[in-house]
Amino acid sequence: QKEVEQNSGPLSVPEGAIASLNCTYSDRGSQSFFWYRQYSGKSPELIMFIYSNGDKEDGRFTAQLNKASQYVSLLIRDSQPSDSATYLCAVNNSSGYSTLTFGKGTMLLVSP
Amino acid sequence: DTEVTQTPKHLVMGMTNKKSLKCEQHMGHRAMYWYKQKAKKPPELMFVYSYEKLSINESVPSRFSPECPNSSLLNLHLHALQPEDSALYLCASSEGGQAIPYNEQFFGPGTRLTVL
Repeated sequence: QKEVEQNSGPLSVPEGAIASLNCTYSDRGSQSFFWYRQYSGKSPELIMFIYSNGDKEDGRFTAQLNKASQYVSLLIRDSQPSDSATYLCAVNNSSGYSTLTFGKGTMLLVSP
Repeated sequence: DTEVTQTPKHLVMGMTNKKSLKCEQHMGHRAMYWYKQKAKKPPELMFVYSYEKLSINESVPSRFSPECPNSSLLNLHLHALQPEDSALYLCASSEGGQAIPYNEQFFGPGTRLTVL
């Protein structure tokens, strides 16, 4: 069974710090990896995706992928209280249709 | 424009009611999805439509009936639901649905369903 593992948290960081969110996955054939942010009561919002090993930066967000270790992470620089949310890691399934397996999410709390 | 719209935002229904959830996207996406999400859980895939055809049914009970009238619209018909079906129902779309790995899914705002 394909699995995506995340630490449920909460991960607490002070405002301005770097938040580091981690995710491991079991499907070695997966080729694309997504980070969604979900505020309480709202729907998931796609904030980053990465397909190649290495780093991908977009503003304050950096996604990191290491396929050999089956590990993907999200760094949030200069964390803001508005970043407080649950972050869902999603991995595409390598067989059949393009479906995603979601991790259970990590709750991030950024304190002022 | 990466917008997926869903109506209604909230729905309260009794166990004998019939209701429908609607989803629409105008991004030209050919794959559309229904997910169910319970509190503090990740989204759980229910159905996938690819090029207007049902591609995946994740063993969803027959009281949930999906329909894809055209490439922009997706409906979920509800009948004889149970209180445990109360959840956030999410629609998503992506460019293509068949074995395309580089395929971001964009979610709508969801319908909060309460079954009494």
